[in-house]
Order: sequence, then C-alpha cells, then structure tokens
Amino acid sequence: GENVEQHPSTLSVQEGDSAVIKCTYSDSASNYFPWYKQELGKRPQLIIDIRSNVGEKKDQRIAVTLNKTAKHFSLHITETQPEDSAVYFCAASMTHAGGTSYGKLTFGQGTILTVHP
Amino acid sequence: GAGVSQSPRYKVAKRGQDVALRCDPISGHVSLFWYQQALGQGPEFLTYFQNEAQLDKSGLPSDRFFAERPEGSVSTLKIQRTQQEDSAVYLCASSLLEYNEQFFGPGTRLTVL
Repeated sequence: GENVEQHPSTLSVQEGDSAVIKCTYSDSASNYFPWYKQELGKRPQLIIDIRSNVGEKKDQRIAVTLNKTAKHFSLHITETQPEDSAVYFCAASMTHAGGTSYGKLTFGQGTILTVHP
Repeated sequence: GAGVSQSPRYKVAKRGQDVALRCDPISGHVSLFWYQQALGQGPEFLTYFQNEAQLDKSGLPSDRFFAERPEGSVSTLKIQRTQQEDSAVYLCASSLLEYNEQFFGPGTRLTVL
C-alpha cells in the first residue's frame, strides 16, 4: 500500500520567516495530495491540495509544489504568523474513477510548526 | 451546525469493556471514513462506507472492531473488549462523493485504563 514520509517532525521559525515541510510518497498511482492543519485538540482542516496534473498551486501565503517524477511534494508558508502554529499533515490518495481506493487518505507523521513572535 | 459531529468527545473505558462511538456526517454526504489517530501520529484509515455499504474495512486492526451505517447517514464504530492499545483519537470524515474533499469531525478521544 501507499506510504507517506514527512519531514521535519518539528519546525521552529520566527514570525515573518518562511516554513517548508516536505513529503514523499511511494505509490506512483497516487494523484491527489491534500495538506491538513490540526490545532491542539481540534479537527484536521484542509488548507490546500494539489492534483497530479499540476506542479504548483498557491493560495495567498500558502503554496504547494509537486514533483511526480521524484514522488515528493512540499508545503510552503510565507510570512509566517503566530496563528500558523499547529501540526501540519500531508496526505496522499488515489482518485481514479472505478478504482477501489475510494479516496481514502494515507497521512504523513505530521510536523509541529511553532512560530515565535 | 453543518459540520461533521462526533460523540462522545471523550470516553474512558476499563480494559475489557465495549464502547460505541458515533459519527454524524454532513447531510447528503455519500462517503464516510473512519480513521484512528494515535498520540503524535497522523490519522490511519480504518474503514469506508458508501451510503450504507461498507466497501472497505481493510484498516480495522482486529475483529474486535466493527462499524455500521445502517441508514446511510449516522455511523457507529464499536470496539469490543477494549485493550490499552486501542487508546487513540477516532476521527470520522465525510465527503459528498468518494473522491471529493473530506471534512473531519472533532474526534472521540478514547482512553482505555
């Protein structure tokens, strides 16, 4: 089955700096890669996602890049703010019509991001 | 509210007890997923429902785990004869269709003593 590795496990930055989190996946059939933000004791919330037909997607201060050949994707947060502090999870999924994965997500281990004021 | 809800939010069980965890998905969502999140880890897939049909239960860790969604809306995850290793947060997620964005509930934190 799919395996997703995420690095680093912890990341500490100063407010205003950029933060980068990287993930690799094992199954070349995966074609959907969401990123979730989870604050302490709260539910995971989707912040951005990318499909395998594009290499980069941006939404204000957040961007995701995908390298299908190398099977890795990254989350970039610019101009970090203290409220960005949370655990971030990458995930991979296969969304092929008629397939049997049903879109179930395989998650990375998570990155604890701390933004210091 | 229009989001996914779960109950109870916290559950403490003695080893050997049976527990039942409830998930109320977003109205109209066909797909429902259960995930298990151990402390400090990412969520791991347990099982998937399309309406009332359980199409994938490959992630259930043992035959002590059972899930149902009899009317295609509310789902219940049941764990029989709980063990300490069952301690985790159990997350439910729903999506409109199987390959759409998944919306997560707040989870049930299960502690087995």
